[in-house]
Amino acid sequence: AIYMTQSPSSLSASVGDRVIITCRASQAISNNVGWLQQKPGEAPKLLIYASSTLESGVSSRFSGSGSGTDFTLTISDLQPEDFASYYCLQDYNSWSFSFGQGTKVEIK
Amino acid sequence: QVLLQETGPGLVKPSEILSLRCSVSGDYMTRGSFYWTWIRQAAGGRLEYIGHVSTSGSTNHGSTYNPSFWGRATISADLSTHQISLTISSVTAADTAIYYCVAHRVPCPPGRSFDVWGQGAMVTVAS
Repeated sequence: AIYMTQSPSSLSASVGDRVIITCRASQAISNNVGWLQQKPGEAPKLLIYASSTLESGVSSRFSGSGSGTDFTLTISDLQPEDFASYYCLQDYNSWSFSFGQGTKVEIK
Repeated sequence: QVLLQETGPGLVKPSEILSLRCSVSGDYMTRGSFYWTWIRQAAGGRLEYIGHVSTSGSTNHGSTYNPSFWGRATISADLSTHQISLTISSVTAADTAIYYCVAHRVPCPPGRSFDVWGQGAMVTVAS
């Protein structure tokens, strides 16, 4: 099984801040990483796939990077609607998908 | 864009069987190749992959499961009724969670296996 270790588990930030969330895979997984955003009471929404490709309609404030085992999600110029939980995911093997533990971004 | 709707009983007794259905909009299921996946999310927020079933046109290619659910979970696709089903046997309180049905077309770009989600169905295991 491939494990995704995500950090931090939560953070407090202000509107306009830049936020960085990291995920480390337990083995090399190329660029088979996506990032999800989840707001309270809603299903998760895909923001980024292939480590750095923005899903259609997603704000350019979001960016992703990484390959192999280390990946980051960056939110630039944090906006009120960005306060949510974020999850990394890997789909390197079609028989074994997994997710990071999640990061809750709260208002400072 | 495919729409997914999960339905099922909100309350299941311990040791019994949890059954959920995911209805797929229109005839989307038979228009290409897809993975139909079940994910759950317990109160702590962690997302957990349960398994998926693969279909291609009018052909069902079988299911794959997270080893953590091996022997307890069954996922199947009914192409005639456009539904995906999930059953989990011998449930305990640890199976209390929101259960999501997720779809993606195959092949898909890396990391894009979770691009279409249902709204989720809450299941509580309690006597």
